[in-house]
Amino acid sequence: SQQGEEDPQALSIQEGENATMNCSYKTSINNLQWYRQNSGRGLVHLILIRSNEREKHSGRLRVTLDTSKKSSSLLITASRAADTASYFCATDDNYGQNFVFGPGTRLSVLP
Amino acid sequence: DTAVSQTPKYLVTQMGNDKSIKCEQNLGHDTMYWYKQDSKKFLKIMFSYNNKELIINETVPNRFSPKSPDKAHLNLHINSLELGDSAVYFCASSRSWGGTHNEQFFGPGTRLTVL
Repeated sequence: SQQGEEDPQALSIQEGENATMNCSYKTSINNLQWYRQNSGRGLVHLILIRSNEREKHSGRLRVTLDTSKKSSSLLITASRAADTASYFCATDDNYGQNFVFGPGTRLSVLP
Repeated sequence: DTAVSQTPKYLVTQMGNDKSIKCEQNLGHDTMYWYKQDSKKFLKIMFSYNNKELIINETVPNRFSPKSPDKAHLNLHINSLELGDSAVYFCASSRSWGGTHNEQFFGPGTRLTVL
């Protein structure tokens, strides 16, 4: 079954640095989404990128999608301590159904 | 107002008991989901309902039974609880099933501990 898999599993950076997380998947998708989860909380939707899009921005977030490599990256620029969280990618199938979440990247931003 | 709410937030119970977790969304969404997040933070979909109809039922023991009395509610009942059921259970909703309006809104989670 298709699955988004993020790497690295954990990332630790200094405040102000950029953080890049990658997601790979196995089969064709309709959309790819990124979510953030703060400790002890539910997931929060960050950004959705459609399979016919290559790049999308939202504030300090930049997401790229390479369908030929079946991969996506999430870049957080000028990171802040409040960005400390786990980040998950989620893929669906060609019909926009059957969500599968990856195992997540734990990001720690040190002040 | 909370968009997706779950009760209870914490649930501690003995093995063999039956328990329920309730979920409500006030977003007017058509689709609701239940996910299980294990101790390694891996999130796995369990069920999905669209307009009160079951559309996803992953390989979940039949001790787990979802019930959707209306579009705004999706409850999860668990019979004969086992130690391995200990996890955080998340409810979520999305505007529709499939297409490009399937961004999901998650509840705060219910941490279930089976002793």
